[in-house]
Amino acid sequence: GEKVEQHESTLSVREGDSAVINCTYTDTASSYFPWYKQEAGKSLHFVIDIRSNVDRKQSQRLTVLLDKKAKRFSLHITATQPEDSAIYFCAASRTNTGKLTFGDGTVLTVKP
Amino acid sequence: EAAVTQSPRSKVAVTGGKVTLSCHQTNNHDYMYWYRQDTGHGLRLIHYSYVADSTEKGDIPDGYKASRPSQENFSLILELASLSQTAVYFCASSDRGRDAETLYFGSGTRLTVL
Repeated sequence: GEKVEQHESTLSVREGDSAVINCTYTDTASSYFPWYKQEAGKSLHFVIDIRSNVDRKQSQRLTVLLDKKAKRFSLHITATQPEDSAIYFCAASRTNTGKLTFGDGTVLTVKP
Repeated sequence: EAAVTQSPRSKVAVTGGKVTLSCHQTNNHDYMYWYRQDTGHGLRLIHYSYVADSTEKGDIPDGYKASRPSQENFSLILELASLSQTAVYFCASSDRGRDAETLYFGSGTRLTVL
């Protein structure tokens, strides 16, 4: 089955700097790559996604890049703010199944 | 706003006992899922359901049963709880088709098996 590896287990940046979290996947049939955010003691919520028919997607300060050849995707957060501090999970799935395979998460800390 | 409610919020169970975790959604979503999260790790899919009265095995179904008696309700059952099942359990729902991929999660149930 699919395996998703999240390369940074922790990441610390200064407020205003950029943060990048990298993930790789194994299943060539995966075509959907979402990111979820989990704030301390809370549940996960969706932040951004990318599908395999594009290689870049931006939403405000968040950008997701997808390199299908390398089976790699990444989340870029610009102008980080303290409220960006959380655990970020990458995930992968085949289209329309809703069955996500998650990475282990990256603890992002944004220091004032 | 999407709403997925889990109960109980936390539970302590004894080894060998039966545990039932409940999930209720008011999203009118067809798809529902149970994931478990172990400390320091991502979520893993236990069971899922695309329609009432039908459940499917996910990636780690051993030791768990699921029940979907209605579109709104999805339960996870541990018939004989074991220490290794100590974890946080998340229920989620999603719509069908292309929208199936955006999951809405409940607040989680922290299960401790002693």
